[in-house]
Amino acid sequence: EAGVAQSPRYKIIEKRQSVAFWCNPISGHATLYWYQQILGQGPKLLIQFQNNGVVDDSQLPKDRFSAERLKGVDSTLKIQPAKLEDSAVYLCASSPRPQGFGNTIYFGEGSWLTVV
Amino acid sequence: AQTVTQSQPEMSVQEAETVTLSCTYDTSESDYYLFWYKQPPSRQMILVIRQEAYKQQNATENRFSVNFQKAAKSFSLKISDSQLGDAAMYFCAYLKAAGNKLTFGGGTRVLVKP
Repeated sequence: EAGVAQSPRYKIIEKRQSVAFWCNPISGHATLYWYQQILGQGPKLLIQFQNNGVVDDSQLPKDRFSAERLKGVDSTLKIQPAKLEDSAVYLCASSPRPQGFGNTIYFGEGSWLTVV
Repeated sequence: AQTVTQSQPEMSVQEAETVTLSCTYDTSESDYYLFWYKQPPSRQMILVIRQEAYKQQNATENRFSVNFQKAAKSFSLKISDSQLGDAAMYFCAYLKAAGNKLTFGGGTRVLVKP
């Protein structure tokens, strides 16, 4: 079974530039998550999708971050304009149903962003 | 809001020995799940073990076992017969049964000495 796929794995951009990350969840998984992990910290949920609808985006900085999940499959996370504090690993994850049912959540390898 | 605390930034263990990682959490919920994830340098989060709060029996997965103390809100991970491949960051995580947000602790780095 293929895992959660993410690209690009690494990206270096200058502040005020834009960047986009792509995620393809495990086939059949209805729920997709984007987490931000700053160096030395645990991951923090940015946004959760159930199929193609947003369930929780309360911690997404909406002035610069946006995410979409068209057709309820793969997803794109965009940052525009980037700030230095956005340097982090962006982890995509998926689960068969909403996490509230205690499902295991499967993570991708992450996209490393460095803003200089 | 729920919080998860891992008080040990780093733990060192000799190969084949045992190491225990601590985790405490704060919640007013009675029904929830607890997890331990391993994160190697590749940064992919790998599920190690999970525990349902309604189960009194401690979960085990091969060399990994937990000590779940619900009243004390404590959830420690024991790694037995440590191997070089166990070296990684370990994160404790909490999820309330009716929730959707996995809350992580700050992590503990495990070093395995040959």
